[in-house]
Amino acid sequence: QVQLRESGPGRVKPSQTLSLTCAVSGAYISSGDHYWSWVRQPAGKGLEWLGRIYASGSAHYNPSLRSRLTLSVDTSKNHFSLKLTSMTSADTGVYYCARVGGVGSTFLEIWGQGTMVTVSS
Amino acid sequence: QSVLTQPPSASGSPGQSVTISCTGTSSDVGAYNYVSWYQKYPGKAPKLMIYEVTERPSGVPDRFSGSKSGNTASLTVSGLQAEDEADYFCLSYAGSHNFVFGGGTKVTVL
Repeated sequence: QVQLRESGPGRVKPSQTLSLTCAVSGAYISSGDHYWSWVRQPAGKGLEWLGRIYASGSAHYNPSLRSRLTLSVDTSKNHFSLKLTSMTSADTGVYYCARVGGVGSTFLEIWGQGTMVTVSS
Repeated sequence: QSVLTQPPSASGSPGQSVTISCTGTSSDVGAYNYVSWYQKYPGKAPKLMIYEVTERPSGVPDRFSGSKSGNTASLTVSGLQAEDEADYFCLSYAGSHNFVFGGGTKVTVL
């Protein structure tokens, strides 16, 4: 059974950088069978696709966040990560990691439970 | 502001059907058969309900179905049940390795 679990600081100060990690169990990122994605839900709003990364480290980003967002992968630890710089209150929300259905797929088939991130001084 | 437009709410009585629309453009919904739908309960992770416009993952009841016409995709829930009360989001491939969500629709079972 494939499971994803997000971890992170819970709270960051304005202008700081958010770092989140998604640990994968029950599957190996190194298999190269899937892309791995990040999605967020700002407080009281809808879902927003942030980006996706492949086992090789090749990543694709939401154009609106491209200048602030970096995705990375560590196949030895079987996890992938997100860094979002210059955090503001608009970045407050729940962040989810998810597995894409398969290389060439466009749907998010397995999701983590999400982690709440609050931007506050 | 979400790129894909969904009605904020929809409702129906138990046993009835409800259809949720997801309107995009000829660059996303209209260009690709890559629309997926997600069910989300408050405080829970989203769950994939439909992918590639009409396909249903194993385990999803056949009461859930998807379709597309032009730039608008739709999710229909037939035979509404109390457990179907949730938020539903559409997601579309938008080309150039980019994806866009709809704003979400809250379905209420009356």
